[in-house]
Amino acid sequence: GAGVSQSPSNKVTEKGKDVELRCDPISGHTALYWYRQSLGQGLEFLIYFQGNSAPDKSGLPSDRFSAERTGGSVSTLTIQRTQQEDSAVYLCASSLRTPPAQYFGPGTRLTVL
Amino acid sequence: AQSVAQPEDQVNVAEGNPLTVKCTYSVSGNPYLFWYVQYPNRGLQFLLKYITGDNLVKGSYGFEAEFNKSQTSFHLKKPSALVSDSALYFCAVRDEEGGYNKLIFGAGTRLAVHP
Repeated sequence: GAGVSQSPSNKVTEKGKDVELRCDPISGHTALYWYRQSLGQGLEFLIYFQGNSAPDKSGLPSDRFSAERTGGSVSTLTIQRTQQEDSAVYLCASSLRTPPAQYFGPGTRLTVL
Repeated sequence: AQSVAQPEDQVNVAEGNPLTVKCTYSVSGNPYLFWYVQYPNRGLQFLLKYITGDNLVKGSYGFEAEFNKSQTSFHLKKPSALVSDSALYFCAVRDEEGGYNKLIFGAGTRLAVHP
């Protein structure tokens, strides 16, 4: 079946603008994750959704970052008033509840000028 | 604190030779361990996982990993490297303190296989 998809694949924006990044998880996967991968760095956890439970937002770096997951499927990560340090690849992953092997999308490369 | 360490930024191997990419971990309790591979301009692909059972885990593309509890290691191995194995490899461990479905990733090791 189809894997995790993300859009757009690339996004270039100006400092101070808002951006929205989209993730379509694998059908039937109840868990959805957002990570950030900065150049030369590992993956930084941002937020986790599991079913109808309250999301785990413990990894969001500031209140400029937020995410929603509508209908238990598609998720949108929003970054308000973007800063240059927000430039990174944003990766989405999904998994079944257990075991937690996560399947990743191709990522969105965000460049803030 | 829980953590994953990949002590080598880069590993260079000649094609046909065995390869090892190192990973050590620190978690409370029994670890759930994973290896992922990232090819250029691609997302991460799941290679293999250890949850319980045999210490030698076999995964995709001929890779395997050996769980060593006494050394808290989970090194990735392949008997004969291919040029196409050149990629960025991430070791990860399940977060045992933050909710069980989050993964803590290492910084990654770049594998370069030379013809």
